[in-house]
Parts: sequence; structure tokens; C-alpha cells
Amino acid sequence: GQQVMQIPQYQHVQEGEDFTTYCNSSTTLSNIQWYKQRPGGHPVFLIQLVKSGEVKKQKRLTFQFGEAKKNSSLHITATQTTDVGTYFCAGPGNRDDKIIFGKGTRLHILP
Amino acid sequence: NAGVTQTPKFQVLKTGQSMTLQCAQDMNHEYMSWYRQDPGMGLRLIHYSVGAGITDQGEVPNGYNVSRSTTEDFPLRLLSAAPSQTSVYFCASSSTASLGAYSPLHFGNGTRLTVT
Repeated sequence: GQQVMQIPQYQHVQEGEDFTTYCNSSTTLSNIQWYKQRPGGHPVFLIQLVKSGEVKKQKRLTFQFGEAKKNSSLHITATQTTDVGTYFCAGPGNRDDKIIFGKGTRLHILP
Repeated sequence: NAGVTQTPKFQVLKTGQSMTLQCAQDMNHEYMSWYRQDPGMGLRLIHYSVGAGITDQGEVPNGYNVSRSTTEDFPLRLLSAAPSQTSVYFCASSSTASLGAYSPLHFGNGTRLTVT
């Protein structure tokens, strides 16, 4: 079945350092979504990418969709303690009628 | 603006007991889904529905039943609880703009279930 692989599983960074998480699919994705889950909370939608090679920015967060639409990345510049949480990518299933999540990357910020 | 409401927030069951996790949304969303979240496993899709009267299986459907008699409600039933079903359960909904370009998923606050 459709799988969305996400790496790394965990990342510890010093506050102020950059952070990147990567998402890969074995098949072409029509779109990819990114979510953030704070500790003890529920996932919250961040952004959706649809076009090949698309790049979107939200303040310190930069999202990219690969040219082949099989991979995506989320890059955070100069991390802050408020960035702590788990970041998930999600893509449509085989028939484009369901949404499948990667396993997520848990970000820890060291003060 | 309630969004997606899940009840209960916490539940403890004994092995073999049955229960229903409730999920309701007030956004007139067509798409509703259930995920379970376990440490290191991310969010795994249990069942989903693209509209009233339509349900389908996700990645891990065994041991769970669903129904979608109305647009607003999408209950998840555990027929005979097992310790392996100890998890955090999230209900999520979205308005399906079109196939291949989903609107964002809106999540409920989750139900933490423990089966002893």
C-alpha cells in the first residue's frame, strides 16, 4: 500500500540551530500536507503543497515539494522553544480518497 | 465554533469489553476518519468515510467497526477490546475539495484509551 516515509524519527538541536525533516514516497503524490503536534496535543495543519518543485514559506519555516513529487522537506531556521513538537507529513492514499501519515519527526530543543 | 468533538477524553476498559468512541463535527465536512497514535508509529489510519453511508478500511482496521449514518457523526466501535488497542485515538475531518487536493484535516482533541 501507499507509504510515506519520514526521517529522522528524532532530532535534538540547540536553540537557534536549524532543523530539517524529510518525507519520501515510493510513488508520485498529487499533494502533500504538513502538520505539527505539540506534546499532549493534536495535529494541526501547517501547509499543503501541490505543484512540482513548489516552495512555500511561513516565517522561519520553509516547505519544499520535489520536482518528481515523490519527496518533500520542512526546514526551520533558527529554532525556538516554541518549535518543540512532532512534525508529520501526509499524502493521499492509492486511490486519492484517504490521507496517510508518515511516522513523524519529534523535535527537541536544547536551551 | 466547536469543530471536531471527541468523547470521552479518557477511558479504561477491561479485555473483552466493548465501547464506542464518539466523534462529531459541525463544519459540514464530507470526509471523516479515525487514526490511532502509538509511540514511534505515527498516525495510522483505522477507517475513513468520504460521505454519509460510505465507509472504508484504512491501514489498521481489524478490531474496529464504523458507521456513517449522518454527515456530522462518525463513531468508532471496539467490539471486544484487547490490550493491543491501548492507544490515543484521533478523529479528523475535512471538506474534500477534489480528489488529489484535500482540504486540511481538522483533528479532535483525542481519546486516550487503556485496555487492561
